[in-house]
Amino acid sequence: GAGVSQSPRYKVAKRGQDVALRCDPISGHVSLFWYQQALGQGPEFLTYFQNEAQLDKSGLPSDRFFAERPEGSVSTLKIQRTQQEDSAVYLCASSLGSLANEKLFFGSGTQLSVL
Amino acid sequence: SQQGEEDPQALSIQEGENATMNCSYKTSINNLQWYRQNSGRGLVHLILIRSNEREKHSGRLRVTLDTSKKSSSLLITASRAADTASYFCATGGSGNTPLVFGKGTRLSVIA
Repeated sequence: GAGVSQSPRYKVAKRGQDVALRCDPISGHVSLFWYQQALGQGPEFLTYFQNEAQLDKSGLPSDRFFAERPEGSVSTLKIQRTQQEDSAVYLCASSLGSLANEKLFFGSGTQLSVL
Repeated sequence: SQQGEEDPQALSIQEGENATMNCSYKTSINNLQWYRQNSGRGLVHLILIRSNEREKHSGRLRVTLDTSKKSSSLLITASRAADTASYFCATGGSGNTPLVFGKGTRLSVIA
């Protein structure tokens, strides 16, 4: 596709439910990133993949958060037993090269609301 | 944790005026980038300046970087209503560390 695609666009979950957020990066992009953005704040880093390898997951807030990119393309961010504090916009980004500090191309995000 | 800190938090100007936003950061960097975010959308990359560069231009955008003061500024000249958005600086550290974003400046351009 032309850009980074994320689905769903909006997700409402009851507290305790598991959710899965999907990201389709730009075709051929090596690196993929997940960021979390609270209302009125800047994006906060969650995790980073280089192809299928998860090189950095230092930003994942708890072991309820899990991300994968099994074939080095599409990525899924899973949140188990969602809590109200998980409510945020989850942004996916990809970059052409393998370094983590290059120009990023962002998707429109998934807005997660946990009730 | 966020390294970059933008100033001001919010800025309101008339169409045609120039808008200046500043970013300060704490640790050494490899590059600094500016992004724009329209309401409800993802971030769009505007410009990247490397640590050995002092100034960069792209259309109506001018970015400066002062590594001795650990600060950068983004100037938008002849602003338009369509420039209304939040602007974020992001620092790229040395080594393979991911970008760290600031809290952003909310710019409103009034027609």
